[in-house]
Amino acid sequence: GAGVSQSPSNKVTEKGKDVELRCDPISGHTALYWYRQSLGQGLEFLIYFQGNSAPDKSGLPSDRFSAERTGGSVSTLTIQRTQQEDSAVYLCASSSVGIYNEQFFGPGTRLTVL
Amino acid sequence: GQSLEQPSEVTAVEGAIVQINCTYQTSGFYGLSWYQQHDGGAPTFLSYNALDGLEETGRFSSFLSRSDSYGYLLLQELQMKDSASYFCAVRALLDDYKLSFGAGTTVTVRA
Repeated sequence: GAGVSQSPSNKVTEKGKDVELRCDPISGHTALYWYRQSLGQGLEFLIYFQGNSAPDKSGLPSDRFSAERTGGSVSTLTIQRTQQEDSAVYLCASSSVGIYNEQFFGPGTRLTVL
Repeated sequence: GQSLEQPSEVTAVEGAIVQINCTYQTSGFYGLSWYQQHDGGAPTFLSYNALDGLEETGRFSSFLSRSDSYGYLLLQELQMKDSASYFCAVRALLDDYKLSFGAGTTVTVRA
């Protein structure tokens, strides 16, 4: 399809392990966002990529979190030494440049840290 | 930074009208957006208000008043499928294309 895709859809890991979450944005979208959503909560901004500019990392909760975007397309969010409080749904969104800035979200990755 | 407040829950019956208010504090922004998220699903875009006034899209309408730092989403002729969470969001002038979201309002539609 032409939407945003994320993988894996579910990830169960043990505390202390590293995890990588992948996002494939809509082709041609220059902006890519990562959010975290805990059960019953709102969307917590993590990081934002826009074209070739330096990413806005202001939402990353700790230095265990990092993200990269290769070739202006696919993005990977890495969480090192996972903790139980990292358990959440991680959502990726992409958008094109424009006044509406409509963000298209992927289905998310549900991360469970045991 | 930006701060958006919206009610946490609203319950209504089928066919009713629901208004979800969103008040915000921001130093300046391009516009107010609304997103819908069904349980277990991804958020989807509903509407965007760049200017003051009412924007209508079918059964849903959205309103913005910059002078009052206030907006709302109006859901008319409620249907069971409208049971979902609704988020308001602003795109701040100093934050390029980044959106800041409210905590969301869970709408429950009863038969």
